[in-house]
Amino acid sequence: EAGVAQSPRYKIIEKRQSVAFWCNPISGHATLYWYQQILGQGPKLLIQFQNNGVVDDSQLPKDRFSAERLKGVDSTLKIQPAKLEDSAVYLCASSLDPTEADYGYTFGSGTRLTVV
Amino acid sequence: GNSVTQMEGPVTLSEEAFLTINCTYTATGYPSLFWYVQYPGEGLQLLLKATKADDKGSNKGFEATYRKETTSFHLEKGSVQVSDSAVYFCALGYSSASKIIFGSGTRLSIRP
Repeated sequence: EAGVAQSPRYKIIEKRQSVAFWCNPISGHATLYWYQQILGQGPKLLIQFQNNGVVDDSQLPKDRFSAERLKGVDSTLKIQPAKLEDSAVYLCASSLDPTEADYGYTFGSGTRLTVV
Repeated sequence: GNSVTQMEGPVTLSEEAFLTINCTYTATGYPSLFWYVQYPGEGLQLLLKATKADDKGSNKGFEATYRKETTSFHLEKGSVQVSDSAVYFCALGYSSASKIIFGSGTRLSIRP
């Protein structure tokens, strides 16, 4: 099966600009996650979708970050405006259902964002 | 709250050396435990997992045993290779919460 697809792989923007990342999960996977991985740290969950509904966005900085999954398939994460501290790798992951947190889930290769 | 603590890196070993990367966790109930690996320029890959106490997860020569009494899930490999150079993340997850919590990662470098 095809893996989780993310684009772009790399992005460099100036602070205060906007940026968007795209994720296409594994076909049929109902649950989609966006994680932020700052250099030298472990990934931190930003938002979790179940189909096209938000399950957990408690750690999403909603003043600048937004995410959507309109048709319950692919998803977009946006940052507007970006700050220097947003420099990180943004990882998308998907699972067939939430109970797969017991078994791990599949990550994409990530988008590396550099804010200058 | 739930958290994962793993030994700080970087860890540098010679090829064929024995590897241990320590991981301890704080959690309520009975989480599943994982080791993920991130090779240079790649995304996270699930290396191994254990879903209940005393389970041993294994893959590619790596092993880890879920020790509830010591709240630990240490990663071991008997003979490392240069190709094992990567960042290793210990993590825990609950199906009820359906999210995975990661440690800060340990960078492993293997010298030929």
